[in-house]
Amino acid sequence: KNQVEQSPQSLIILEGKNCTLQCNYTVSPFSNLRWYKQDTGRGPVSLTIMTFSENTKSNGRYTATLDADTKQSSLHITASQLSDSASYICVVSKMGGSQGNLIFGKGTKLSVKP
Amino acid sequence: GAGVSQTPSNKVTEKGKYVELRCDPISGHTALYWYRQSLGQGPEFLIYFQGTGAADDSGLPNDRFFAVRPEGSVSTLKIQRTERGDSAVYLCASSLDTGAVTEAFFGQGTRLTVV
Repeated sequence: KNQVEQSPQSLIILEGKNCTLQCNYTVSPFSNLRWYKQDTGRGPVSLTIMTFSENTKSNGRYTATLDADTKQSSLHITASQLSDSASYICVVSKMGGSQGNLIFGKGTKLSVKP
Repeated sequence: GAGVSQTPSNKVTEKGKYVELRCDPISGHTALYWYRQSLGQGPEFLIYFQGTGAADDSGLPNDRFFAVRPEGSVSTLKIQRTERGDSAVYLCASSLDTGAVTEAFFGQGTRLTVV
């Protein structure tokens, strides 16, 4: 079964600290992996999209890594800010599947405290 | 508009009623997607359109759910005989095309509550 598992389920950190969120997937054949940020009451916003050949991709203070061999990805947030408080969702696309049929993880809820 | 717009933002309806949820995609985006997100869960795929036609409707849970996109732009998700289990946030997204790494832009969602 194609699945995307994220950990931790929730995380609380102090402002200014770094954190790393994990994503494991069993989707096959793999096409690409995306990280989205979803603020409460808002739709998800794309942070990064990585294909099979990409190991690392950065977007400002966000750095995503991908190990296609172990089917693991991580999202590292540097120097966290209060505005980083949100759910971070890992999404995997299956090769040959319709573009709409993205497989979403349940997300990690991050709370950044002052 | 600048982004994907969904209306209404909130909808409360009685069990058994019919509801329509509207999505205005980004201008020029040919692909449009509907997802459903329950509390504490990631979005689940419902249906996606390429132009006016439904390219994949495999995510629609049953025949009470139907979606249209008659002119290849605005889409309406229609739910008949609503049930309490239909309560969720319904998200719409659009993308320029259906390429594997094309970015999809999401609307803010419609929160549907069936009482």
